[in-house]
Amino acid sequence: AQSVTQPDIHITVSEGASLELRCNYSYGATPYLFWYVQSPGQGLQLLLKYFSGDTLVQGIKGFEAEFKRSQSSFNLRKPSVHWSDAAEYFCAVGASNFGNEKLTFGTGTRLTIIP
Amino acid sequence: DARVTQTPRHKVTEMGQEVTMRCQPILGHNTVFWYRQTMMQGLELLAYFRNRAPLDDSGMPKDRFSAEMPDATLATLKIQPSEPRDSAVYFCASGRQGEFFGPGTRLTVL
Repeated sequence: AQSVTQPDIHITVSEGASLELRCNYSYGATPYLFWYVQSPGQGLQLLLKYFSGDTLVQGIKGFEAEFKRSQSSFNLRKPSVHWSDAAEYFCAVGASNFGNEKLTFGTGTRLTIIP
Repeated sequence: DARVTQTPRHKVTEMGQEVTMRCQPILGHNTVFWYRQTMMQGLELLAYFRNRAPLDDSGMPKDRFSAEMPDATLATLKIQPSEPRDSAVYFCASGRQGEFFGPGTRLTVL
C-alpha cells in the first residue's frame, strides 16, 4: 500500500523568499504524484502532477516539483512566494496500476507568509 | 472551464436526520471519488466508482452511509441517520486518479 509523509506541519516564509515543501512517499513501483493547495474554506486545487517522463514538473502559480526516485521524494518549490500563497499544501500519491487509482494524501503543510 | 460541482455547499441538520449530498463530475470523467475532511483525521477516502460501479467503499461506515451513481452525471452520498461525528467537509473528485476536486459540502450535525 502506498503512503505519504509531509514532515513539516507548519512553515513560515517571508514574502519574496524561496520555498520548498517536503514530501516523501512509499510505493513499490513508479508512483503517480500530486501537489494540491487548499485555502481556508475552499476545495483542493491541483497545482501539478507527475506521471512519467521529465522528473521536473511545472505547475500553476509558479510552482514546480522534482521527482527523485532515489530519495522517494517529490518536493514542491517556488522561487519567490507571494502573500496569496498562504494556504495548506497537500502531497498525494497514487498507484500506477489499473484498478487501484485512489490517492493517498499526506497530512498537509500549512504555509504562513510574513511581510 | 470544466469543474466538479457539489450541492449543497453548506448543510446544518439535527442528529438523526437524513442528509444527501450531490456531485456532478466533469463531463467525460468516469471515475468519481468521495472524500471526507476533518481536522482530526485529515482527508479520508470514503468510496470511489468507475463507470458508475463501486470499486472501493471500504472507508465508508456501511451502517449509515451509502453512495451511488444513478447516472454518469450524478453521484450521491447519503447519511441516514446522521450523527454529530459526521460533521466534516465532504469532497467529490473526478478524473482518472480523482485529481479534480469539487468545492465540498460543509456538513454540521447538531
